Amino acid sequence: KAGVTQTPRYLIKTRGQQVTLSCSPISGHRSVSWYQQTPGQGLQFLFEYFSETQRNKGNFPGRFSGRQFSNSRSEMNVSTLELGDSALYLCASSPRGGLTNIQYFGAGTRLSVL
Amino acid sequence: KQEVTQIPAALSVPEGENLVLNCSFTDSAIYNLQWFRQDPGKGLTSLLLIQSSQREQTSGRLNASLDKSSGRSTLYIAASQPGDSATYLCAVSLRDDKIIFGKGTRLHILP
Repeated sequence: KAGVTQTPRYLIKTRGQQVTLSCSPISGHRSVSWYQQTPGQGLQFLFEYFSETQRNKGNFPGRFSGRQFSNSRSEMNVSTLELGDSALYLCASSPRGGLTNIQYFGAGTRLSVL
Repeated sequence: KQEVTQIPAALSVPEGENLVLNCSFTDSAIYNLQWFRQDPGKGLTSLLLIQSSQREQTSGRLNASLDKSSGRSTLYIAASQPGDSATYLCAVSLRDDKIIFGKGTRLHILP
């Protein structure tokens, strides 16, 4: 079974631009969660989607948004990029909704904002 | 507010030694606790999950313990190998379906 796939692996953007990251979950998994990892703040939960609905949300500004498609693939969008958005963005999938279950992580997208 | 702390931030140990990684949390009202491994530039791999009602879980050379009353968990690695070099993170899941991660311990096994 293929694992969680994130594309692209690396991105370089400039301040003020917007970016879209993609995540394909493990086949059959209906939940996709997104996380931001930085050296200063560590790993922080962004949001979770289950069956195309946002089920849970962390403490991030509205510039961070996401969606999930009927095939469970998910995209995350960040608008009006700031330098502080430079981070490794990880997505994770699980068969059921909820952050209390085991999640399977992708390799991440490293975003650099210049 | 739940906080998760992992000390030390980095650790170097000669190959073959047994070692213990520590994780502490401030609020004992957790749903479960997980230990993850992260290799450089990679995502996380779940190693062990301990439910709040459990005291420990074992997988191969790994043993994780949980003491909710003291807000502590340990990850014991037996007979360490160079391939164990990675960053180890612990995370607590809360009953309101939040998850809080520690910042990790970067482990280096010296050949």
